[in-house]
Amino acid sequence: ETGVTQSPTHLIKTRGQQVTLRCSSQSGHNTVSWYQQALGQGPQFIFQYYREEENGRGNFPPRFSGLQFPNYSSELNVNALELDDSALYLCASSSGLVIETQYFGPGTRLLVL
Amino acid sequence: LAKTTQPISMDSYEGQEVNITCSHNNIATNDYITWYQQFPSQGPRFIIQGYKTKVTNEVASLFIPADRKSSTLSLPRVSLSDTAVYYCLVGPFGNEKLTFGTGTRLTIIP
Repeated sequence: ETGVTQSPTHLIKTRGQQVTLRCSSQSGHNTVSWYQQALGQGPQFIFQYYREEENGRGNFPPRFSGLQFPNYSSELNVNALELDDSALYLCASSSGLVIETQYFGPGTRLLVL
Repeated sequence: LAKTTQPISMDSYEGQEVNITCSHNNIATNDYITWYQQFPSQGPRFIIQGYKTKVTNEVASLFIPADRKSSTLSLPRVSLSDTAVYYCLVGPFGNEKLTFGTGTRLTIIP
């Protein structure tokens, strides 16, 4: 149904390392949003990209950064990993117009040891 | 975004109607109310959105009183596959920078 894919599905890193997570948007969608979901909590908005430009950011430090490519796929980069960065990272793509068309991917589960 | 309050968990039997209420006392004039469903190890899925009175689609109904300080998601004749976490969000229409609360964990009992 969703068409949004994320890779990898699972990842283990150690504190201080860097990680890159990837998201392929649903066809025709030009907006990608990234969310962090800690265990037992709801997703928290990290940032959004619209046509390759950052279009809003949540309360996350600068070591969380992103990119959106011409084909509207996206990357989330996290530097200097901390134990609290362990979470499910979700991306959602949309056409940028109607909220009900925002489709979430299955997420990447990151464990920082 | 307006803060929302929902029950942490609810149980219901198969075949019953389930109503989940969300409080949002400081909802703004231009805010809409949106509900999402999330299964384990999956991303949230949009269920329904409304501004006032009643909205119904193929999966749920959303009831919003005149003061809009609360809303109720109604799931008719639930099945085991409706076991999930349900999130209530309040924010401007078209807002995609969503902030979820902790949601309501709904468990359907056979």
